[in-house]
Amino acid sequence: QSALTQPPSVSGSPGQSVTISCTGTSSDFGSYNRVSWYQQPPGTAPKLMIYEVSNRPSGVPDRFSGSKSGNTASLTISGLQAEDEADYYCISYTPSSTFIFGGGTKLTVL
Amino acid sequence: EVQLVESGGGLVQPGGSLRLSCAASGFTFSSYSMHWVRQAPGKGLEWVSYIGSNTIYKYYADSVKGRFTISRDNVENLVYLQMNSLRAEDTAVYYCAREIYYGGFDDWGRGTLVTVSS
Repeated sequence: QSALTQPPSVSGSPGQSVTISCTGTSSDFGSYNRVSWYQQPPGTAPKLMIYEVSNRPSGVPDRFSGSKSGNTASLTISGLQAEDEADYYCISYTPSSTFIFGGGTKLTVL
Repeated sequence: EVQLVESGGGLVQPGGSLRLSCAASGFTFSSYSMHWVRQAPGKGLEWVSYIGSNTIYKYYADSVKGRFTISRDNVENLVYLQMNSLRAEDTAVYYCAREIYYGGFDDWGRGTLVTVSS
């Protein structure tokens, strides 16, 4: 099973909004809303930013939001800040009870 | 405070075995599903394995199925990953993670590095 498809890189200036897409097939997503997003600055463990498509864990700023339409999930970061610069990964629960990550997207804050 | 601490990584020859451990504290361990996720040097995240809270359900990525075995001890608050028939492509930092929702891992350890090389 191949990784979910994410753009290798995105960029934006402070204050702007960026959206990272995560595309799969029905074999990846099924009919579930079981998509999560992670932020990983260099040299650190991943941090959960969004789960169940659009839910934010406690402590995650509301600048981070998630959505899903068909076989594409999206993470939107509004009001970009320098500290948002990191790698971002999506993950989906699959109908075979396994999980699949996206290939990762490097966010650069210009 | 939730803590997950991995151990057991190191250098192993191709075809060899290694057992990773993850010590959990700060939460009711027996109530949570646990996962192993790995990251090869300079590469992305790869989900490896999952074990349900009651140990009945266990799942594996195709890349490790038949070679890796996940287990847990709900008395000692430990989760294990037994890795056999190791290959060079298994070289990675291995993280254990606590699941709060399908694919939503809210706490991670710092990881343990496994290097498979002759």
